[in-house]
Amino acid sequence: AQSVAQPEDQVNVAEGNPLTVKCTYSVSGNPYLFWYVQYPNRGLQFLLKYITGDNLVKGSYGFEAEFNKSQTSFHLKKPSALVSDSALYFCAVRDVGNTPLVFGKGTRLSVIA
Amino acid sequence: DAGVIQSPRHEVTEMGQEVTLRCKPISGHDYLFWYRQTMMRGLELLIYFNNNVPIDDSGMPEDRFSAKMPNASFSTLKIQPSEPRDSAVYFCASSLVGIYEQYFGPGTRLTVT
Repeated sequence: AQSVAQPEDQVNVAEGNPLTVKCTYSVSGNPYLFWYVQYPNRGLQFLLKYITGDNLVKGSYGFEAEFNKSQTSFHLKKPSALVSDSALYFCAVRDVGNTPLVFGKGTRLSVIA
Repeated sequence: DAGVIQSPRHEVTEMGQEVTLRCKPISGHDYLFWYRQTMMRGLELLIYFNNNVPIDDSGMPEDRFSAKMPNASFSTLKIQPSEPRDSAVYFCASSLVGIYEQYFGPGTRLTVT
């Protein structure tokens, strides 16, 4: 069965510093990987995805993520954090086919001015 | 496109009452998902449909929960009778074969007193 782990419940970073939100996954085949962001009282917004190809994928709002097959990781990164990036971030995975996404428990990112 | 539309955005009801949540997926999407989000359990998949047909309802917590999709542009999630432990934010999401990611609605915050 597919699964995803976000080892950190909370990440704190100073504004202007680089940020990383960690995600590891487990699937039986090739993974389809996703990052979503949730702002207070809002639905989940799609940020980026890895399906195939270049291991570094770029998404919305300056975020990027690096797929590492050997470490089964898909960490979310941004070179310079903004206070407005403070939100709840979810990593998700799906196996081959049209199965639903499996979400991690989420990581709360707090960017401090 | 207006995105996934959910109504109502907020629902407050008394224990024992019937609650109906509504969802309009993105036009042309052939998958529809219902999720529940709570602080304790995170984001849980309740049920999903493909071409209006329920595919997997193993996440529906009890027989008090039911979902229907009478046509491609409308789905309902019903709780009868409602209980305080059903209080949560309920999300609807839709997707299309070949685009992989799911798009979420703004959610319905349900409070059962």
